[in-house]
Amino acid sequence: DTAVSQTPKYLVTQMGNDKSIKCEQNLGHDTMYWYKQDSKKFLKIMFSYNNKELIINETVPNRFSPKSPDKAHLNLHINSLELGDSAVYFCASSHLYWTTKSQETQYFGPGTRLLVL
Amino acid sequence: AQSVTQLGSHVSVSEGALVLLRCNYSSSVPPYLFWYVQYPNQGLQLLLKYTSAATLVKGINGFEAEFKKSETSFHLTKPSAHMSDAAEYFCAVTSGTYKYIFGTGTRLKVLA
Repeated sequence: DTAVSQTPKYLVTQMGNDKSIKCEQNLGHDTMYWYKQDSKKFLKIMFSYNNKELIINETVPNRFSPKSPDKAHLNLHINSLELGDSAVYFCASSHLYWTTKSQETQYFGPGTRLLVL
Repeated sequence: AQSVTQLGSHVSVSEGALVLLRCNYSSSVPPYLFWYVQYPNQGLQLLLKYTSAATLVKGINGFEAEFKKSETSFHLTKPSAHMSDAAEYFCAVTSGTYKYIFGTGTRLKVLA
């Protein structure tokens, strides 16, 4: 049974379009994350939600808007896609430190490969 | 602020040889350190983590890492490389918060 799943796995779209990526976790975690991995494999956090509340919002263009309908889901909507948005987007989840009093592992989804043409 | 430096973006070893992937961290508070592995076209998978319980940490697939505070290092080792170890390896640091900082990754190539 998949722990962290993302859909779609691949996404090819034209510049200017709007697209969404969905993420679901069945681990009972209370915190979810979005990361962007560029072509050089550099992994950078974009957003994090704890119990549906935004707790990390890195320097990300306003075109990116995360939404967490419940603590098992974290979606990412991207407006007006640009060439530079092409990357692999990873969702991850974990328990939050002060929930468990230990540094919990982040579990990653398989990634969504976005290509903007 | 915390940071992680992985020395060597590419490392090649012969099958059966020692694997050594280097990670140095910077943290003003006691850190929690992780090593993740990423196989081609897959997500990141935890290899091992240091959470202050023991300085020598054993992980999956025969990997281990030693936390050395004096050297601010958390190098990953495996005594004998296997072809299946070829992947991208990431070191990460956090400090008991929700923000993880990842290194730039080291691609391990195993030569037959």
